[in-house]
Amino acid sequence: SYGLAQPPSVSVSPGQTASITCSGDKLGDKYSFWYQQRPGQSPVLVIYQDNKRPSGIPERFSGSNSGNTATLTISGTQPIDEADYYCQAWDSRIAVFGGGTKLTVL
Amino acid sequence: QVQLQESGPGLVKPSQTLSLTCTVSGGSISSGHYYWSWIRQAPGKGLEWIGYIYYRGSSFYNPSLKSRVTISVDTSKNQFSLMLTSVTAADTAIYYCAGEYYYDSSGHANWFDPWGQGSLVTVS
Repeated sequence: SYGLAQPPSVSVSPGQTASITCSGDKLGDKYSFWYQQRPGQSPVLVIYQDNKRPSGIPERFSGSNSGNTATLTISGTQPIDEADYYCQAWDSRIAVFGGGTKLTVL
Repeated sequence: QVQLQESGPGLVKPSQTLSLTCTVSGGSISSGHYYWSWIRQAPGKGLEWIGYIYYRGSSFYNPSLKSRVTISVDTSKNQFSLMLTSVTAADTAIYYCAGEYYYDSSGHANWFDPWGQGSLVTVS
């Protein structure tokens, strides 16, 4: 079965750039999606189709996908961005999620 | 905008059947814009996709759960439901209903938005 791998944790200082990676076999040939989950809340879509932002998502969130790796980039990270982030892709109409990355802003 | 709300028992005994319902508001479940999905998250763990149903009744399930899962839709009530049989402690999780936005027929470009607030189900 298809798998997506994420680092368990990433730390960043306020105002700096955070990058969260998601790795999977030929992931660049698929669309990638990213969800933010703050503690005690439901996931929220922050990036769809590799690099598109839903309305209401700040411009500091961006995404890319090439080769075997998709990357979520948060520029000018704010304390409010501290959350778990999950990547997701499709494998034959099965939704596959990465294990999640805990972003700490300190 | 479309909003989702889960409802159902918070406690289920081992070997019994877990049943949850998701009520769709702010839009019609028959709009054709969404596949109606269930996703779960065990305590402290990641997200696991369970499956979806389309308003016309077609469904598709995660192979790892397929033998125990049924997702159904009631268009008259604007609701869809999840049944998971023969539950064990490993099925303890927050169960989310979500709308998989139908971008195109390939299904590979679709995304999950919106999500319900989640319903914690404990098997004990």
